[in-house]
Amino acid sequence: NAGVTQTPKFQVLKTGQSMTLQCAQDMNHEYMSWYRQDPGMGLRLIHYSVGAGITDQGEVPNGYNVSRSTTEDFPLRLLSAAPSQTSVYFCASGRGGRTGELFFGEGSRLTVL
Amino acid sequence: TQLLEQSPQFLSIQEGENLTVYCNSSSVFSSLQWYRQEPGEGPVLLVTVVTGGEVKKLKRLTFQFGDARKDSSLHITAAQPGDTGLYLCAGVKDSNYQLIWGAGTKLIIKP
Repeated sequence: NAGVTQTPKFQVLKTGQSMTLQCAQDMNHEYMSWYRQDPGMGLRLIHYSVGAGITDQGEVPNGYNVSRSTTEDFPLRLLSAAPSQTSVYFCASGRGGRTGELFFGEGSRLTVL
Repeated sequence: TQLLEQSPQFLSIQEGENLTVYCNSSSVFSSLQWYRQEPGEGPVLLVTVVTGGEVKKLKRLTFQFGDARKDSSLHITAAQPGDTGLYLCAGVKDSNYQLIWGAGTKLIIKP
């Protein structure tokens, strides 16, 4: 049971570079989301999707793009990396609803120099 | 804007002691979830509380949802080193999908 798989686990970028964080889930969940986690600030929602072809912005969307062409995959693209985007990124999926549990990947640690 | 306030932010205690973590808000939630996160991993759901006043127990962990569904607490009895981790509360509001997250309580249990 793979659950939610994120790649890469670690990445170092230079300011201005672009990259894509990959996320895949094998639980047929409608809902997928990307969070960033910074010390003392908890989890902040970047973008989310409630189904293939449907995406929306979360709390901190600037500098990031997403797409959802399939139920399984939800990649996060950093367009032009900035040091402020140094963080740990988590992909999560779930069925939604009042008691819907979120299943998280192991995280991707990104450093922007 | 932090709609869910968790306290304390950090707690370091000896094995065998009891502790309580609080999650407070001025907003009403339809349900509230507690997650635990260990270093290098993603959060994992511990429990969901749905009804005002609800109490759920998970071995030595007791979770309570406030009567007005605005706050919750996590009580650990006789803490063990294996309880060490970051505890996060998350509230579900009127949307079917969005969670409002607390900043987390970092708990260290010393042997």
